[in-house]
Amino acid sequence: GAGVSQSPRYKVAKRGQDVALRCDPISGHVSLFWYQQALGQGPEFLTYFQNEAQLDKSGLPSDRFFAERPEGSVSTLKIQRTQKEDSAVYLCASSSGSVNQPQHFGDGTRLSIL
Amino acid sequence: QKEVEQDPGPLSVPEGAIVSLNCTYSNSAFQYFMWYRQYSRKGPELLMYTYSSGNKEDGRFTAQVDKSSKYISLFIRDSQPSDSATYLCAPKSGDTGFQKLVFGTGTRLLVSP
Repeated sequence: GAGVSQSPRYKVAKRGQDVALRCDPISGHVSLFWYQQALGQGPEFLTYFQNEAQLDKSGLPSDRFFAERPEGSVSTLKIQRTQKEDSAVYLCASSSGSVNQPQHFGDGTRLSIL
Repeated sequence: QKEVEQDPGPLSVPEGAIVSLNCTYSNSAFQYFMWYRQYSRKGPELLMYTYSSGNKEDGRFTAQVDKSSKYISLFIRDSQPSDSATYLCAPKSGDTGFQKLVFGTGTRLLVSP
């Protein structure tokens, strides 16, 4: 597609439920990134894929957070046993993979945990 | 101390003003410097992208990087109400193993007609 697509745009879940957030990167982009943005803050890095390989997951806040990109295209961020502090906007970005190429973002999934 | 510091604002200016937005950073490994614009309930949109020190101009926007002082600036000329948004600076390392962007908090800009 023309841009990074994320679904759902909004997700409401009860504390303790599992959620799955989807990202479709720009066609042909080999690098994919997940960020978390709290209200009034800049995005914070969660994890990074080059094709299907997860090269950096240093930003995942706990082992409840898990990301995958099995075929090197679509990615899913899964949060297990959600907590209220997980409420945030989850942003996905993609780039062509070269170090000198910028990242392009989707509009995010706004997650609210009740 | 955060790796990237940015005044959250809000910064209020009249239409037509020149706007100066700034960030400081602490990591000497940063080689690429991005500015993103973010409207409410939308994702960050890439505005400017520069490598190392120097200036880059694109229409009404000028990005400036001074690596010696670890200072990043974005200038907006002839500001318009449609420029009202949050502006995020985001440097990153030149190391292929460290591709994450490190964002400032963002500066909220309000341009009044």
